[in-house]
Amino acid sequence: AQSVTQLGSHVSVSEGALVLLRCNYSSSVPPYLFWYVQYPNQGLQLLLKYTTGATLVKGINGFEAEFKKSETSFHLTKPSAHMSDAAEYFCAVSAYSGNTPLVFGKGTRLSVIA
Amino acid sequence: DAGVTQSPTHLIKTRGQQVTLRCSPKSGHDTVSWYQQALGQGPQFIFQYYEEEERQRGNFPDRFSGHQFPNYSSELNVNALLLGDSALYLCASSSPGGLGETQYFGPGTRLLVL
Repeated sequence: AQSVTQLGSHVSVSEGALVLLRCNYSSSVPPYLFWYVQYPNQGLQLLLKYTTGATLVKGINGFEAEFKKSETSFHLTKPSAHMSDAAEYFCAVSAYSGNTPLVFGKGTRLSVIA
Repeated sequence: DAGVTQSPTHLIKTRGQQVTLRCSPKSGHDTVSWYQQALGQGPQFIFQYYEEEERQRGNFPDRFSGHQFPNYSSELNVNALLLGDSALYLCASSSPGGLGETQYFGPGTRLLVL
């Protein structure tokens, strides 16, 4: 069975500050890990994904995440927050491939303060 | 290139009624997954269709059923609606491909059960 825990249901940062959204996973098989973003009243948009290989993954809009197997973590970071980054962020895990069912965390709402 | 489309965007039903939601996958994709996202929660996997058959199913009752058509579009049917079925229903499409396939999400259908 797989599960995802996102620490912090709400994170607030100042514009230009570092963004750090935490995600820990549990998986009995090598995981495939994803971060999705959801803007108000919209569907989910893929930010980045980890499948195999390089553990530091770069995504869209300046976001990146690092897969740390020893810590079972896949935290999302961005060096400098922008007002447009305000949204809900979801970490997800799947087994064997990205085509298998995604198991999502409960999400973290990011607010950016001017 | 059109992405994943869903219809309708919003729907209001009363308890006990039945509802049908529709999804057209992204061009070139033949696998469709459905997710339910309750307010303030992460999406939960309902089921996945491939080659017009239900391939995998999450922990949802039989009141939730689906169908996939030869053109890969899909329907989600919910019978005997309950208040707790109120949620955003998301459709995601992907191709079976290899490892690391990404699921692309539509904008969702927001269902309100009164």
